[in-house]
Formats: sequence, structure tokens, C-alpha cells
Amino acid sequence: GQQLNQSPQSMFIQEGEDVSMNCTSSSIFNTWLWYKQDPGEGPVLLIALYKAGELTSNGRLTAQFGITRKDSFLNISASIPSDVGIYFCAGNRYNFNKFYFGSGTKLNVKP
Amino acid sequence: SAVISQKPSRDICQRGTSLTIQCQVDSQVTMMFWYRQQPGQSLTLIATANQGSEATYESGFVIDKFPISRPNLTFSTLTVSNMSPEDSSIYLCSVQAGPSNEQFFGPGTRLTVL
Repeated sequence: GQQLNQSPQSMFIQEGEDVSMNCTSSSIFNTWLWYKQDPGEGPVLLIALYKAGELTSNGRLTAQFGITRKDSFLNISASIPSDVGIYFCAGNRYNFNKFYFGSGTKLNVKP
Repeated sequence: SAVISQKPSRDICQRGTSLTIQCQVDSQVTMMFWYRQQPGQSLTLIATANQGSEATYESGFVIDKFPISRPNLTFSTLTVSNMSPEDSSIYLCSVQAGPSNEQFFGPGTRLTVL
């Protein structure tokens, strides 16, 4: 089946630091999505990417669709305590409705 | 985007019983999905809920264990049948909506089976 590798698995950072996480796939993807999940909640869509090389920002968050179409990264600048949560990448292939999910990056921010 | 609600939000059930989870969307959507998220894990697709026809199940999931209904374009149910403690998970409803068919999630149903 489709493999999506997300790293790092967890991060412990100081408030104010920048964060970077990434996902790689074994296949070419048509769309990349990035989500954040708070404890006891469903995942919330942060950023959607549709074209190779696309760079999209949402506040302090920036994500890029890799030019090989097999990877994507998410950066968070100047982290704050409310950034704590689990971040998931997801991707799908052309003409497929199903999204594959990464294993998640658990972010901890120390005030 | 789409606003998705799920009922119940959580439940504690005895083994051998069944629980039906409801998912309601605030707009008509073509694609609805059910996911399972085991403790500390990522999301695993159970099935695609098809309106007017049988759901499409992923490998490892069967209709007898997870029957799904999709009577219209805004509503679906997932039943977890003959539950065991291994079924303790968060069950999430998801839809594709918006101009680019982004995928949105409901708040989840946290199920504990004793």
C-alpha cells in the first residue's frame, strides 16, 4: 500500500523557536494537506497545496509542495504554546478520492 | 469548508454490544468517509460511504463489523458491531468539500469498550 513517511515523530521546542516537519511518499501526489489535531478533537485543515513547487502561508505557518511531487514540508515560525498538538500530512494521487495520512508529528512547546 | 457534527461525542460500552455513530454535514457533499484513530496513532480509513449504494471498505474492514448507511448527501452512520476492547478508538467522519475538494473532519466519537 501507499507509504507516507512523516518526520520527526515528536519535537520539544522553546517558545519563539521555528519548527519544521516534512512528509515523503513513495508515489507522486496530486494534493498535499496539512492538519493540526488538538487532544479530544478532530483534525483541522491548516493548509492545502495543489501544484508542484507551490508555497502557501497561513499566518505563521508555511507549507510547500515539493517539486518532485513526492514530498511536502510545514514550517511554523515563532512558535507559541497554543501550537502544541499533533500535525498530520495527507496526500492523494490524481483521480483518487482517498487521502493517505502520515504518522503525525507531536509538537511540544515550552513557555 | 463544511461543518460536521457527530453524535455521540463519546461513549463507554460493554463488550458484545453495538454502537451507532451519526454524522451530519451542513451542506450536501458527494464524498463521505469514516476513519478510525487508535490511541496515539494516525488515521486509518475504514470505508467510503456511498449515497444510494453499499459502502466501499478498505482492506481489513468488513461490512458485518462496520455497517454503514448513507441515506442522503448530508448524513451517514457507522455502526461498530459486537464490540471488543480492541475497538476502543476515536471514530471520525470526514467529507470532501470546497472548490478543490479539501477533506474536512468532524470532532470525532471517542469510544471505550470495557
